[in-house]
Amino acid sequence: AQSVTQLGSHVSVSEGALVLLRCNYSSSVPPYLFWYVQYPNQGLQLLLKYTSAATLVKGINGFEAEFKKSETSFHLTKPSAHMSDAAEYFCAVRPSGSARQLTFGSGTQLTVLP
Amino acid sequence: DGGITQSPKYLFRKEGQNVTLSCEQNLNHDAMYWYRQDPGQGLRLIYYSQIVNDFQKGDIAEGYSVSREKKESFPLTVTSAQKNPTAFYLCASSLLSDSRELFFGEGSRLTVL
Repeated sequence: AQSVTQLGSHVSVSEGALVLLRCNYSSSVPPYLFWYVQYPNQGLQLLLKYTSAATLVKGINGFEAEFKKSETSFHLTKPSAHMSDAAEYFCAVRPSGSARQLTFGSGTQLTVLP
Repeated sequence: DGGITQSPKYLFRKEGQNVTLSCEQNLNHDAMYWYRQDPGQGLRLIYYSQIVNDFQKGDIAEGYSVSREKKESFPLTVTSAQKNPTAFYLCASSLLSDSRELFFGEGSRLTVL
């Protein structure tokens, strides 16, 4: 079975500081991994995805994530936070070749302080 | 523009009433999904459909029903049997690729009074 753990339900950073949101997964086979962002009372928007090509994945709005198989991690980073980055972020996993659907983490609420 | 349209965005209902949430997509995706979102619990899969006239239960299907009569449409009915229906409901769709990247609607917020 696959699962996703997001460490830290709430993260606060100052504007201009590094953003680091943590995601660890478990999967018995090579996974597909995703980061989604959700603004209040809206649907989810794809930030980036890992599909077994490059381990460092670049997404929209300056975000990137690195797939580390040895650590079973897919942490999301952004070098410099902007006020508009304040939102909830979800990590999701789907084992390749599986009949299972995406499994989502419980989410991390990012607050950006002025 | 292609996308997923959910309606209504906000809905109030009395206990004991069934309510149907609409989801329409014009992305020509084969698969459609319904998720429920509660604070601090992420997204939980209610039902999904990979082909017209067929659908499968997700992790929390009890108290819900769906239909898939057209490729573009996947309505969700929240029945009176659902014990705690107040939540944010998200519809999504995808191609049947191995990665199953999801595209989401804007969501429907249901409040039971």
